[in-house]
Amino acid sequence: AQSVSQHNHHVILSEAASLELGCNYSYGGTVNLFWYVQYPGQHLQLLLKYFSGDPLVKGIKGFEAEFIKSKFSFNLRKPSVQWSDTAEYFCAVSSDGGKLIFGQGTELSVKP
Amino acid sequence: DTAVSQTPKYLVTQMGNDKSIKCEQNLGHDTMYWYKQDSKKFLKIMFSYNNKELIINETVPNRFSPKSPDKAHLNLHINSLELGDSAVYFCASSQPGTGGITEAFFGQGTRLTVV
Repeated sequence: AQSVSQHNHHVILSEAASLELGCNYSYGGTVNLFWYVQYPGQHLQLLLKYFSGDPLVKGIKGFEAEFIKSKFSFNLRKPSVQWSDTAEYFCAVSSDGGKLIFGQGTELSVKP
Repeated sequence: DTAVSQTPKYLVTQMGNDKSIKCEQNLGHDTMYWYKQDSKKFLKIMFSYNNKELIINETVPNRFSPKSPDKAHLNLHINSLELGDSAVYFCASSQPGTGGITEAFFGQGTRLTVV
């Protein structure tokens, strides 16, 4: 069965620090990959997505992610975080069958 | 114009009651979902409908019954509510594509509290 694993449960950074959140998935076939963000008390919003092509994808708000097929990974990065990036971040995977499976989420706290 | 809208946003009810949550999407998507987010923020898929037909039914108690009157609406009815049903319920919609869905759009969530 498909599964998604996020390495970090809670990450605490100071403003201007660089961010990398790990995500690994288990599925042998073709997948679509996503990162979603959930700001406190709000719904999920798409940060970026990967379907095919260039494995380095850029999203909104300066986020990017790299798909490494051999490692089944899709890590999220941002060179310099801001206090407003404080949120919960979810990696998600979909495959044929229409199911979107989420990782456990990573809580990011950015100290001003 | 909200793409995926859920009502109500908050729902506080007593154990044993029956309640419904409504969801509507105006994106023209074929597929709609219900997700449950627990207190640890974990998102678990409950149901998925494609063009009014149930296609995904995860291990969910029979007390939960989804209904899709048309492809733009997916409602969730819960019978005999229990304390453990307290969570945030999210509706979402998407379109299928190669390798799975293209992108899921989420509603604002319904925070259900059972007392």
